[in-house]
Amino acid sequence: KQEVTQIPAALSVPEGENLVLNCSFTDSAIYNLQWFRQDPGKGLTSLLLIQSSQREQTSGRLNASLDKSSGRSTLYIAASQPGDSATYLCAVKSPSEGQNFVFGPGTRLSVLP
Amino acid sequence: DAGVIQSPRHEVTEMGQEVTLRCKPISGHDYLFWYRQTMMRGLELLIYFNNNVPIDDSGMPEDRFSAKMPNASFSTLKIQPSEPRDSAVYFCASSLPGVNEQYFGPGTRLTVT
Repeated sequence: KQEVTQIPAALSVPEGENLVLNCSFTDSAIYNLQWFRQDPGKGLTSLLLIQSSQREQTSGRLNASLDKSSGRSTLYIAASQPGDSATYLCAVKSPSEGQNFVFGPGTRLSVLP
Repeated sequence: DAGVIQSPRHEVTEMGQEVTLRCKPISGHDYLFWYRQTMMRGLELLIYFNNNVPIDDSGMPEDRFSAKMPNASFSTLKIQPSEPRDSAVYFCASSLPGVNEQYFGPGTRLTVT
């Protein structure tokens, strides 16, 4: 059974800092891993999708890496802005879970102006 | 495409009443997922469908919950009778199979008094 954890649970940084969010999963046999952003009271917005065969994906100031063998993914946010404040969730899709994504608990990010 | 559509966006009801939540997936997506999100338990998968057929309903909390997908463009999640502990945000999501990403609707915020 796939289990996903995220560290830290919460993070507060001053504007302009580069930061890293971590995601770990227990079963390395995965289809893909997806990073989402959730603003308070809102739905989930997909940020990046990394396929099992890929090492990283980039979108603007965001870079997500995947190390399947160690069961880890990181989301790197460059030059953070107050608008980046949100909860970031990672989700893993793996054969052991059918077509379901297993979600981590999320990291709540606050970027202070 | 308009994305995943959910209705209503907010629902307030009294304990014991029947509640029906609705979802329209993205056209062409043959997987549909229902999730529940609470502060205490995070994001939990309730049930998912493939080509209108329920595949995994192990996350449905109890017999008071039921879900249907009468056709490829419509699904319902029903709670009867509702209880205060059912208060949560309910999300619907859809995807294509395999290596494709998941898209979420805006959610329905349910409050049972």
